[in-house]
Amino acid sequence: DIVMTQSPATQSVSPGERATLSCRASESINTNIAWYQHKPGQAPRLLIYDSSARATGVPARFSGSGSETEFTLTISNLQSEDFAVYYCQHYNAWPPYTFGQGTKLE
Amino acid sequence: EVQLVESGGALVQPGRSLRLSCTGAGFTFGDSAVTWVRQTPGKGLEWIGFIRSRSFGETTNYAASVQGRFTISRDDSQSTAYLEMSGLQVEDAGVYYCSRADYGQPLDEWGQGTHVAVSS
Repeated sequence: DIVMTQSPATQSVSPGERATLSCRASESINTNIAWYQHKPGQAPRLLIYDSSARATGVPARFSGSGSETEFTLTISNLQSEDFAVYYCQHYNAWPPYTFGQGTKLE
Repeated sequence: EVQLVESGGALVQPGRSLRLSCTGAGFTFGDSAVTWVRQTPGKGLEWIGFIRSRSFGETTNYAASVQGRFTISRDDSQSTAYLEMSGLQVEDAGVYYCSRADYGQPLDEWGQGTHVAVSS
């Protein structure tokens, strides 16, 4: 199975700053990666798919990049509502479509 | 508006079985694959498995951690997918979400989740 490794586990940031979250795949997944935002008590929300495409309604301050095995989610001008846990997930070729362990923005 | 609603979560004893439901609305349920994901206490999200549409033979695929214990099925007449869980273990406790996604697709819509507790 493909292992998705996120770093850091926790990132301390302040509103207005930029956050850079990383995700590494154990083998090439091309650009078949999604990023999700998860807040307590809520359903996870798709932010980015195909490495860099924003999902419907996602603000432009969220951007994704990368290919093969190295990926980044960047959140510019952090807003208070952006403090959450972020997960990457691959959907390359065959299942299981594993998630990373998450990065918590605090 | 696309909606997915999970139900059936409960407190069960170790070794027992439980069936969760996922009912969809606002889209053609029968044309969509359904994926189950869980979040266990203190851990992140875990992909459990999915079932494809009838057009793709209702093919299923499972994570190794649940293979042989969990079964996903669907009833398109009810716009509902099911997650049948047997031999439940303490580590299976958590929030179970359903989503729609097929092979090679991201999970674009999610339900609010249903809670499963496993304790004697």
